[in-house]
Amino acid sequence: NAGVTQTPKFQVLKTGQSMTLQCAQDMNHNSMYWYRQDPGMGLRLIYYSASEGTTDKGEVPNGYNVSRLNKREFSLRLESAAPSQTSVYFCASSEGLAGGELFFGEGSRLTVL
Amino acid sequence: DAKTTQPPSMDCAEGRAANLPCNHSTISGNEYVYWYRQIHSQGPQYIIHGLKNNETNEMASLIITEDRKSSTLILPHATLRDTAVYYCIVGRLFNAGGTSYGKLTFGQGTILTVHP
Repeated sequence: NAGVTQTPKFQVLKTGQSMTLQCAQDMNHNSMYWYRQDPGMGLRLIYYSASEGTTDKGEVPNGYNVSRLNKREFSLRLESAAPSQTSVYFCASSEGLAGGELFFGEGSRLTVL
Repeated sequence: DAKTTQPPSMDCAEGRAANLPCNHSTISGNEYVYWYRQIHSQGPQYIIHGLKNNETNEMASLIITEDRKSSTLILPHATLRDTAVYYCIVGRLFNAGGTSYGKLTFGQGTILTVHP
């Protein structure tokens, strides 16, 4: 039982390059989330998916797109990376009436040069 | 969602109780109080949550004042491994597609340092 798995764990990009962060959960959760955390800051919600087939913007969606591929997988795409997107990205999932109990992955550390 | 106020840092001696305060004076009736912690740079870990009543689990206790404007997370016997950033979050559940979910906002939290 791996919980929430994120890939890659580390990535360095050049400005303008694109990439996709992958997230998968094996807990059969309906809801999934993408957060970013900048140094010394709390986490900010980028996008979320309340259930399979739906996605919605969070607090800081600009520059990102998401895909809820199936119930298990929720990917985050940077179409044209910018240095301001240098951050640690966390994926999380939750289920039902325990919707506030988020299970987080270990994070993906992205540097944009 | 209501905002929270936490002290930026706290210290605690190993083996003693750690009491972490949180103010949430604008909390609404349908908003829960959640506590998470983040050890080093790992993903945040859920600790406990409550609506009105005090709650206890294997990790901690949550004490919510009667007016719900503040709460305290209690780690009864802190260990060095409890050194982390602790986040107090107030949020409500949303309903969509037959399921409930939460859009939680993490502030800067309290850095708890447990020392020998």
